[in-house]
Amino acid sequence: GAVVSQHPSWVICKSGTSVKIECRSLDFQATTMFWYRQFPKQSLMLMATSNEGSKATYEQGVEKDKFLINHASLTLSTLTVTSAHPEDSSFYICSATPLRGLFYYGYTFGSGTRLTVV
Amino acid sequence: SQELEQSPQSLIVQEGKNLTINCTSSKTLYGLYWYKQKYGEGLIFLMMLQKGGEEKSHEKITAKLDEKKQQSSLHITASQPSHAGIYLCGADRDNQGGKLIFGQGTELSVKP
Repeated sequence: GAVVSQHPSWVICKSGTSVKIECRSLDFQATTMFWYRQFPKQSLMLMATSNEGSKATYEQGVEKDKFLINHASLTLSTLTVTSAHPEDSSFYICSATPLRGLFYYGYTFGSGTRLTVV
Repeated sequence: SQELEQSPQSLIVQEGKNLTINCTSSKTLYGLYWYKQKYGEGLIFLMMLQKGGEEKSHEKITAKLDEKKQQSSLHITASQPSHAGIYLCGADRDNQGGKLIFGQGTELSVKP
């Protein structure tokens, strides 16, 4: 159980276009999902917390207008990179956690999306 | 500054050798997670530690959280090429099961 599916696995887009990345919890409901970014040879950096039915919470330094997050249902969060530029090229990965009573069971990560902006 | 410091940053060991990766926090850890990642792929959950002094094992991997809950170690016994990858420690930023922050990772290579 606790599987998170992320789509697409990789995408190449032209500079100035927008790209949408989906993160789905397949067998559990996730009121909260998290979006991370990873540059080559670096660790994961938390970008934002996606909250079902409300606005996302962004980490300091992350442009909310560039990285639009929508969490429209309990099993789906989307990250849209708007007006993408080459510097947005990175590995994006989401995570979600099924809630077990009062305790979070641990975090499950999607397989990530490799975005290349040309 | 980095809240979680991992050491070493990279490690090359001969197959069959034991190794240890450390993760040190500047703050008290409420939950400490170990993940393995192949570069450019998703994270594989290894273990979660919550209590001071806790130790967990899975196959040849053992993780410990010290009593003061500010340091964790991951120990691999008799390493194999399949153990190669990037090991990441992650911690709950708060005590509400919220955001995970990560150490910078340790890249492990195992020579056959």
